[in-house]
Amino acid sequence: KNQVEQSPQSLIILEGKNCTLQCNYTVSPFSNLRWYKQDTGRGPVSLTIMTFSENTKSNGRYTATLDADTKQSSLHITASQLSDSASYICVVSDTGGGNKLTFGTGTQLKVEL
Amino acid sequence: NAGVTQTPKFRVLKTGQSMTLLCAQDMNHEYMYWYRQDPGMGLRLIHYSVGEGTTAKGEVPDGYNVSRLKKQNFLLGLESAAPSQTSVYFCASSWDFSGANVLTFGAGSRLTVL
Repeated sequence: KNQVEQSPQSLIILEGKNCTLQCNYTVSPFSNLRWYKQDTGRGPVSLTIMTFSENTKSNGRYTATLDADTKQSSLHITASQLSDSASYICVVSDTGGGNKLTFGTGTQLKVEL
Repeated sequence: NAGVTQTPKFRVLKTGQSMTLLCAQDMNHEYMYWYRQDPGMGLRLIHYSVGEGTTAKGEVPDGYNVSRLKKQNFLLGLESAAPSQTSVYFCASSWDFSGANVLTFGAGSRLTVL
């Protein structure tokens, strides 16, 4: 069964600090990996999407990395802001189509003053 | 653009009651999806549609029905609500059905079944 595991489950950091969120997956055959940001009371919003051949993808202060050999991904947030407080969800797709997405449970990030 | 709009945002039902959640998108997307999000679990696909007039079962379809009579609308129905269906429901749409499709989500509908 395809699985996506994220760590840590929750994280509190001070504004201006950096942090890294982790995602491990067992999805086969692998198609792509995407990171979503979900604000409280809102739907997830796409941050990055990476295919097998991509190692790094950036979106402003968000940088995602992918190691397809070890089946690991990370999301690095630089110079955190209060607005970064949200749940970050790792989603992995196999080659079966748009209905074959496996969602992680998310990392809940809180940025404090 | 409004994107994906879900109504209602909140609803409380008694066991056995029925209701319909409405999802509307204004992006002319072909593909639409209904997910549920429960604490400690990733989003799970309930039903999806690959075009007007089509529907298909996802991972957790039992107890739900759907219809896609118009391209822009995707309805999720509960015929006889059960407490296990207490959840937050998200509708999403995409222009592509490949593994690289980027989903646009609605804001969610929180349903409580007593």
